[in-house]
Amino acid sequence: DIQMTQSPSFLSASVGDRVTITCRASQGIRNELGWYQQKPGKAPKCLIYAASTLESGVPSRFSGSGSGTEFTLTISSLQPEDFAVYYCLQHNSYPRTFGQGTKVEIK
Amino acid sequence: QVQLQESGPGLVRPSQTLSLTCSVSGGTVNSAGYYWTWIRQRPGEGLEWIGYVYFGGKTFYNPSLESRVLISSDTSKNQFSLTLSSVTAADTAVYYCAREFTTYYYNYMSAWGLGTAVTVSS
Repeated sequence: DIQMTQSPSFLSASVGDRVTITCRASQGIRNELGWYQQKPGKAPKCLIYAASTLESGVPSRFSGSGSGTEFTLTISSLQPEDFAVYYCLQHNSYPRTFGQGTKVEIK
Repeated sequence: QVQLQESGPGLVRPSQTLSLTCSVSGGTVNSAGYYWTWIRQRPGEGLEWIGYVYFGGKTFYNPSLESRVLISSDTSKNQFSLTLSSVTAADTAVYYCAREFTTYYYNYMSAWGLGTAVTVSS
């Protein structure tokens, strides 16, 4: 199985901050990675797919980059509605595997 | 817009079989280009991919669960189902059904159900 390692596991930030979350794959996965946001009691929602493509309807303050084994999700200016848990998910091979999640909380 | 809705018992006894159904509206399970998927989230933990059923009934399972899991589709009802046998407390989780959109260039989970909580307890 491909292991996905996210960092940090937790971050505290203020509204307006620039936030970056990293996901590392245990082997190369080309650009076959997505980023998902999950709010308490809700299902995850796709923000980014194919490493850098913004899902329809997702605000442009979210962006993704990377290829191979290292990927980043950036929120350019954190908004109150962005406080949530973020997961990466690799779509390169089976079984699909998620990162362990990054919880973004209000400072 | 496609919508997915999980249903099934919220409580299952240890060693019994967990059975959940995902009803699909606004789309069809009998269409190519989508993997109809089950994912679970244990309390306070991350997400675990269980497996999928594809157009024509092809399935693929997580090896960690493969000996106990069965995913199937019912095209007449536009549903797909998860069966997990010999459950233990470790199978207590919120179970999500989801649709993975697949193309030659990219895949992603394009739709999710709201999730259903299942507790394994006597």
